[in-house]
Amino acid sequence: SQQGEEDPQALSIQEGENATMNCSYKTSINNLQWYRQNSGRGLVHLILIRSNEREKHSGRLRVTLDTSKKSSSLLITASRAADTASYFCATEAGGFKTIFGAGTRLFVKA
Amino acid sequence: EAGVAQSPRYKIIEKRQSVAFWCNPISGHATLYWYQQILGQGPKLLIQFQNNGVVDDSQLPKDRFSAERLKGVDSTLKIQPAKLEDSAVYLCASSSGQRQETQYFGPGTRLLVL
Repeated sequence: SQQGEEDPQALSIQEGENATMNCSYKTSINNLQWYRQNSGRGLVHLILIRSNEREKHSGRLRVTLDTSKKSSSLLITASRAADTASYFCATEAGGFKTIFGAGTRLFVKA
Repeated sequence: EAGVAQSPRYKIIEKRQSVAFWCNPISGHATLYWYQQILGQGPKLLIQFQNNGVVDDSQLPKDRFSAERLKGVDSTLKIQPAKLEDSAVYLCASSSGQRQETQYFGPGTRLLVL
């Protein structure tokens, strides 16, 4: 079974708008990572947030982590057509095992 | 720095046939992962190697799937015999081996079983 679950499953926005996607998980984690996957390609690492961190920024990306609610959010500001992709959260629990969620499919309309 | 290499990129086989995938991780990366990604789902870890030892293979269907990482570098994943439900993208990733490390993914091998 998958540990992380992204919400929403799909999101369609206009270029320039912000996109927010959420990830919920079930057990305690060491860290949480967000990856992007363009159609037909491998995954690309976006950002890692450790369990003792609450917020992290990287360019137009902002990630928050709430360990009390076992949830994380990824915010993409000023979205571009090139941001169209699937976004996955991945959690590392005990034993170094990484578990991916089912992903949010983002479509940015030009 | 060269990325993770995988071959072949595409493979079409008939059920009950065998198939093998190859992965060359980033140089110096101790940890290597094989994932199965079925269309519309997230990647599912099949097996994780630390150097040439297996760290986790709890989700590997061992009756038909096997993997090895000779000399702690390249790795092969084999399916024998293949079933229709094995149709998926098989992703290889590597990391430097320390905890909380980023995984670098290859382009994947897209397998279609007819």
